Amino acid sequence: DIVMTQTPLSLSVTPGQPASISCKSSQSLLHSDGKTYLSWYLQKPGQPPQLLIYEVSNRFSGVPDRFSGSGSGTDFTLKISRVEAEDVGVYYCMQSIQLPPYSFGQGTKLEIK
Amino acid sequence: EVQLVESGGGLVKPGGSLRLSCVVSGFTFSNFSMNWVRQAPGKGLEWVSTINAGGGSTYYADSVKGRFTISRDNSKNTLYLQMNSLRAEDTAVYYCAKDGGVTIFGLVLIARYFDLWGRGTLVTVS
Repeated sequence: DIVMTQTPLSLSVTPGQPASISCKSSQSLLHSDGKTYLSWYLQKPGQPPQLLIYEVSNRFSGVPDRFSGSGSGTDFTLKISRVEAEDVGVYYCMQSIQLPPYSFGQGTKLEIK
Repeated sequence: EVQLVESGGGLVKPGGSLRLSCVVSGFTFSNFSMNWVRQAPGKGLEWVSTINAGGGSTYYADSVKGRFTISRDNSKNTLYLQMNSLRAEDTAVYYCAKDGGVTIFGLVLIARYFDLWGRGTLVTVS
């Protein structure tokens, strides 16, 4: 099974400053169809997860452009260009090249300083 | 309005059974693969199961294989998760999640990401 490892597990950011979360997979997420199946989700306090980014770098509808995703193969990054108070929560990456199982990273908790 | 509403959670003894339901509205349910994802108290997300649009293909996490069954009734816009032989470690909030779907030449194919989530239903095994 593919293991997803996120770093850091927590970070505290001053509003207006950037933030970056790394996600590494134990195997390449590049599929033979040419797509890379890595997505990012944010779970705000008391809410279900919500999709931010799919296929490494595609922002989902309604997601602010301060969120961006990058990477390839086994190394991926989610960046927030200027953190806002509403960005607080736990961020998860997920691989979906292998089914079963899909697998999530451990989560990265973002707090505001 | 697009929404997914789970129900059926509750308190059950070890070895017992529960059936979760997820009623959807606002999109053509029969076109999309659907998923169950769970979250134990204070823990991260764990994928549980996936079913394709027609219901003919199902996939399970090893932790639930042989005990849980995913199914769907496209005429009722409803996704199910039958959970048998429940264990304490199955205690979690269970979310249903819609596959994003990608349309190619009029066909909706599995997109492998979850674009819509319900609010979840809590299952406690104790």
